[in-house]
Amino acid sequence: GAGVSQTPSNKVTEKGKYVELRCDPISGHTALYWYRQSLGQGPEFLIYFQGTGAADDSGLPNDRFFAVRPEGSVSTLKIQRTERGDSAVYLCASSLLGQPNEKLFFGSGTQLSVL
Amino acid sequence: AQTVTQSQPEMSVQEAETVTLSCTYDTSESDYYLFWYKQPPSRQMILVIRQEAYKQQNATENRFSVNFQKAAKSFSLKISDSQLGDAAMYFCAYRSGTEGGSEKLVFGKGTKLTVNP
Repeated sequence: GAGVSQTPSNKVTEKGKYVELRCDPISGHTALYWYRQSLGQGPEFLIYFQGTGAADDSGLPNDRFFAVRPEGSVSTLKIQRTERGDSAVYLCASSLLGQPNEKLFFGSGTQLSVL
Repeated sequence: AQTVTQSQPEMSVQEAETVTLSCTYDTSESDYYLFWYKQPPSRQMILVIRQEAYKQQNATENRFSVNFQKAAKSFSLKISDSQLGDAAMYFCAYRSGTEGGSEKLVFGKGTKLTVNP
């Protein structure tokens, strides 16, 4: 695609429910990142994929959060037993190879609201 | 762990004037990259400018330039001839360039820039 696509744009759910957030990176980009941006804060790193594998998942806050990228393209961030504190914008980004000097391309994020 | 601090939650500037946004960072690494990202209401983060720590020359991109002071660990962004379209949140970010280092970006809390007509 022309850019990084994230769906849905907005998601409202109830406390305790399960949600999936999808990220479609730029075609051919091997590196994919998830960030979480709480209100009034900068984005915080969650997880980094290189191809199909999670190269760094040190930012996932707890075991309710899980992400996959089974074919090395689309990624899904999964949140179980959602809590009100999970409310945030979830941003996805991709780059060609994951090198430090590469430009990161961001999607427009998913605004998750947990009621 | 690396940290990035933006001490100005909000800044304002008159159209066509110049404004400088501040950023300091803390790291023990010698090889790293620094970035300024712009985030308009659409939420999409857009790269404004990038600086490699090993380069002494300050990066410039049209109306945007940085003042990179490696010893002071300071990385400010100067916007010249400000335009209404520059209004947005601006985030300073750090990334390790060290072999085997973290691939993640570390962001500051951001500065909200208002451009007055």
